[in-house]
Amino acid sequence: QVQLQESGPGLVKPSETLSLTCTVSGGSISSYYWSWVRQPPGKGLEWIGYVHYSGNTNYNPSLKSRVTISLDTSKNQFSLRLRSVTAADTAVYFCARGSIFGVILGPFDIWGQGTVLSVSS
Amino acid sequence: DIVMTQSPDSLAVSLGERATINCKSSQSVLYSSNNKNYLAWYQQRPGQPPKLLIYWASTRESGVPDRFSGSGSGTDFTLTISSLQAADVAVYYCQQYHTVPFTFGPGTKVDIK
Repeated sequence: QVQLQESGPGLVKPSETLSLTCTVSGGSISSYYWSWVRQPPGKGLEWIGYVHYSGNTNYNPSLKSRVTISLDTSKNQFSLRLRSVTAADTAVYFCARGSIFGVILGPFDIWGQGTVLSVSS
Repeated sequence: DIVMTQSPDSLAVSLGERATINCKSSQSVLYSSNNKNYLAWYQQRPGQPPKLLIYWASTRESGVPDRFSGSGSGTDFTLTISSLQAADVAVYYCQQYHTVPFTFGPGTKVDIK
């Protein structure tokens, strides 16, 4: 079955750029849409953005100026770059597959286990 | 942004009893063109990622036990666990996927009484 696995540095310094990768196994990335969601310690879920299999992207306006999400179909991966991080970006970062019904974007039906990111000097 | 609220913040229910969680959206998540509510429910057990339970407000995801059911339309929705099991201890989130940015409710923690 399809599985998602996040990978990343674990610790990033303030003002630096965070880069995370999600590897999709057991299925092709060339369909569905692919999202990043984060969860600060002890808090709820925040949607960061998505990349559609067509390459189109959409971002949360609260992060839009700092975020880039991209697709690498040759590696069956998608990635998140978050610039100018602060302590407020400390969170567990999940990658997730978004279901598609025809042309309609649906909910997130498969999630990775999450990767912990801390922002600290 | 569509703001999602949930009530209660937490609840404790005896094993085998019913648990009911409410979710309200600040704007309707019903698309009149297809009469679908763009509302999902997720379960997050401690230390685990969220798991999709319900979508289109009332459609159970494959493999989800039938004790979980969703109802509601427009701006008011309910998740019901008909007979609480120990495995159901978790935080439950509603989410709208009607309008970007997709938004989640703050979560409802369910425990055993």
